[in-house]
Amino acid sequence: DTGVSQDPRHKITKRGQNVTFRCDPISEHNRLYWYRQTLGQGPEFLTYFQNEAQLEKSRLLSDRFSAERPKGSFSTLEIQRTEQGDSAMYLCASTSGEVSTDTQYFGPGTRLTVL
Amino acid sequence: DAKTTQPNSMESNEEEPVHLPCNHSTISGTDYIHWYRQLPSQGPEYVIHGLTSNVNNRMASLAIAEDRKSSTLILHRATLRDAAVYYCILRPSGGYQKVTFGIGTKLQVIP
Repeated sequence: DTGVSQDPRHKITKRGQNVTFRCDPISEHNRLYWYRQTLGQGPEFLTYFQNEAQLEKSRLLSDRFSAERPKGSFSTLEIQRTEQGDSAMYLCASTSGEVSTDTQYFGPGTRLTVL
Repeated sequence: DAKTTQPNSMESNEEEPVHLPCNHSTISGTDYIHWYRQLPSQGPEYVIHGLTSNVNNRMASLAIAEDRKSSTLILHRATLRDAAVYYCILRPSGGYQKVTFGIGTKLQVIP
């Protein structure tokens, strides 16, 4: 399977702990997006990379959130000092080509539960 | 960001056509209209996109109003596997990367 993969698929943590999620995009894709989705809502944009450069960050991404994409391949999203409000599905998508016409390929997501 | 408005939910009988509407009255001349759908417990998947002309692919058809202020996603024969949340989003050209999903339309297909 050469689609977008995310690890772990599920994460349960206690409030105040740090968590890190990984996304492996489709290999030839140079753009990578992170989204957060809560129940009954559509995905909310968090941040975006073109190769290794982080070019856009949402105001939703507080100082406790950090994302990296070293070497322009896989990406990690870290949440420090988790809060119950961080409970959500975290989705990763990758793409390439023209921005206005590209197809975003989404991974299965990582479901985070903060107790 | 240009916004889209969709009905929260719709129902369709299996094997009948489904027309999913989307309003985007503030669309700019260079915004592309994209549709994605999200099946239960999965990430969204691309369905179709267009600019001005109607578009067809193996999954669906996209009908775009002449003034581009609305569009309709057409599933020609709904199946149970089409039960999903359908999102209509606008993708601006010109380098702005943020993608805004709304709540979408939850389609229920009745056997």
